[in-house]
Amino acid sequence: GEDVEQSLFLSVREGDSSVINCTYTDSSSTYLYWYKQEPGAGLQLLTYIFSNMDMKQDQRLTVLLNKKDKHLSLRIADTQTGDSAIYFCAESIGNAGNMLTFGGGTRLMVKP
Amino acid sequence: DARVTQTPRHKVTEMGQEVTMRCQPILGHNTVFWYRQTMMQGLELLAYFRNRAPLDDSGMPKDRFSAEMPDATLATLKIQPSEPRDSAVYFCASGLEVGEQYFGPGTRLTVT
Repeated sequence: GEDVEQSLFLSVREGDSSVINCTYTDSSSTYLYWYKQEPGAGLQLLTYIFSNMDMKQDQRLTVLLNKKDKHLSLRIADTQTGDSAIYFCAESIGNAGNMLTFGGGTRLMVKP
Repeated sequence: DARVTQTPRHKVTEMGQEVTMRCQPILGHNTVFWYRQTMMQGLELLAYFRNRAPLDDSGMPKDRFSAEMPDATLATLKIQPSEPRDSAVYFCASGLEVGEQYFGPGTRLTVT
């Protein structure tokens, strides 16, 4: 079945770059997503990448997709304390419309 | 600024009581999802509606949970009777048939 894996925790210093990694299993995924969850809030869509792309940049965010290895990463440049949150990777499920499989989330801690 | 809304935001109840959580999807969205989030299990999909019809509720305990969409602007999730193990944050999300999901702020349920 589908499974999306992420490391549990990442700690970086303010101003450094953060790289959050994700592996997925469904080769028929059309879209892959990154969501951010701040304490006490719902998941907020950060960015997404279409499966026929290998890179997407949006301001401080860079998404890299390696379809061969089924590996997705999110790079946050110049990480700020406000970036501290849990980051979820998600893949669309084959032919199931907008149903998504979510990873377990990576907790990013940014130290001043 | 269109958003998914959920009520109540917090609910504390005693074991055995009925709990009803409500969600208003973004106007025009035709898919609605209910998720449960706990520290131990992470984010679990409970139910999925498309055009108000339930398509997948395999993740939902059938004996006590029920999900409905009385109309296109309202989705409900009921637990009867509630148990302490139901304590979690329940999220509603909506979207179109292809693409991202937009999450509400969640209902934090505590069953004592």
